[in-house]
Amino acid sequence: GQSLEQPSEVTAVEGAIVQINCTYQTSGFYGLSWYQQHDGGAPTFLSYNGLDGLEETGRFSSFLSRSDSYGYLLLQELQMKDSASYFCAVRGDNAGNNRKLIWGLGTSLAVNP
Amino acid sequence: DGGITQSPKYLFRKEGQNVTLSCEQNLNHDAMYWYRQDPGQGLRLIYYSQIVNDFQKGDIAEGYSVSREKKESFPLTVTSAQKNPTAFYLCASSTIGRGQGDQPQHFGDGTRLSIL
Repeated sequence: GQSLEQPSEVTAVEGAIVQINCTYQTSGFYGLSWYQQHDGGAPTFLSYNGLDGLEETGRFSSFLSRSDSYGYLLLQELQMKDSASYFCAVRGDNAGNNRKLIWGLGTSLAVNP
Repeated sequence: DGGITQSPKYLFRKEGQNVTLSCEQNLNHDAMYWYRQDPGQGLRLIYYSQIVNDFQKGDIAEGYSVSREKKESFPLTVTSAQKNPTAFYLCASSTIGRGQGDQPQHFGDGTRLSIL
């Protein structure tokens, strides 16, 4: 089957750095994405890695190693507003114009003062 | 501003009743998706559509139906055959196209469906 694994919960303090890992097992791979979802809200897109390496967007960075089927989301200078769930998602199929995603179960990040 | 609008925000269903959740987008996206999210869980794909008048089943399509008569609209009907419909339903849209690069999914604010 196809699956993505990520930790269920992570706790950190304001100003710290936290890394959320994601390992995937899919029949195909066409990119790893990260989404943020605040309680009761809609998921919002954070970052995408199609090739190996690090992508940086402000305080957030995302890394991919296709040979290890592994990626991570790095959040720096944590703020209280970063408390949310973070989902990794893989596009496992490039047939036609398919943009269907396979989703991890999410990591709940709690940022404490 | 462009975006996705889901309505209603809260919906209650009686036993044996079909209910329809609305999803409208003005982003000019070709692809639209319906997800179900249960508490503390990830997103499970119900149906998706890449073009008008065409749609495909996702991982948990049983008990649900959709239509895509217009590019902007992708309503989801939760039928009486869906025995455990209480969940948070999210609609999303994205562009499509071959090749590398990502076309992020944009989400509506969701509909919370409960059983009376």
